[in-house]
Amino acid sequence: GAVVSQHPSRVICKSGTSVKIECRSLDFQATTMFWYRQFPKQSLMLMATSNEGSKATYEQGVEKDKFLINHASLTLSTLTVTSAHPEDSSFYICSARDPLAGDYEQYFGPGTRLTVT
Amino acid sequence: GDSVTQMEGPVTLSEEAFLTINCTYTATGYPSLFWYVQYPGEGLQLLLKATKADDKGSNKGFEATYRKETTSFHLEKGSVQVSDSAVYFCALSDLTSYDKVIFGPGTSLSVIP
Repeated sequence: GAVVSQHPSRVICKSGTSVKIECRSLDFQATTMFWYRQFPKQSLMLMATSNEGSKATYEQGVEKDKFLINHASLTLSTLTVTSAHPEDSSFYICSARDPLAGDYEQYFGPGTRLTVT
Repeated sequence: GDSVTQMEGPVTLSEEAFLTINCTYTATGYPSLFWYVQYPGEGLQLLLKATKADDKGSNKGFEATYRKETTSFHLEKGSVQVSDSAVYFCALSDLTSYDKVIFGPGTSLSVIP
């Protein structure tokens, strides 16, 4: 099946710095990718929809200036957590759908664990 | 809007016990249904899926049948193993949700020897 990768898998940063997380579709092109956030022992919360060549669509309550999303190519979307604070520590997961596949299956990346100290 | 409801956990079972995790959904369209599994400290893995009514998804001894009349997609396994301990998420996706995956809250399963 299709593969989605994320980099880095883990990152520790200091409060006030910015962190960039990459999401790549390895064997298919994705015009749309999705970014989720997961708190411990909770479900995944959709943060935003990343659209290739246009602005991301953010879910209600998600600060667009804090979580910058760039979808510069059909295989790469990036999430930048700006001026990170300890409350931004979380597990971030991206996903994408292969538009040539016949169903609505999303392929998920392995996730990035962000710890802000 | 679309939504997914799962039975509350955590669920604790003895090895070789029968497992059922209930899942029901609400959707205005005709969704595809999924079960994802998340092992401790890891990302999501697709366990099984079904794309139309009466389809049965199966994988690794797990099964779920797409029941449109009851809007359900219950997960079952005849004999669980310790290695099945994980969190299980029921989910749906369709055009009316703009391809977004709508997740249930997850059900934590612990299997004890």
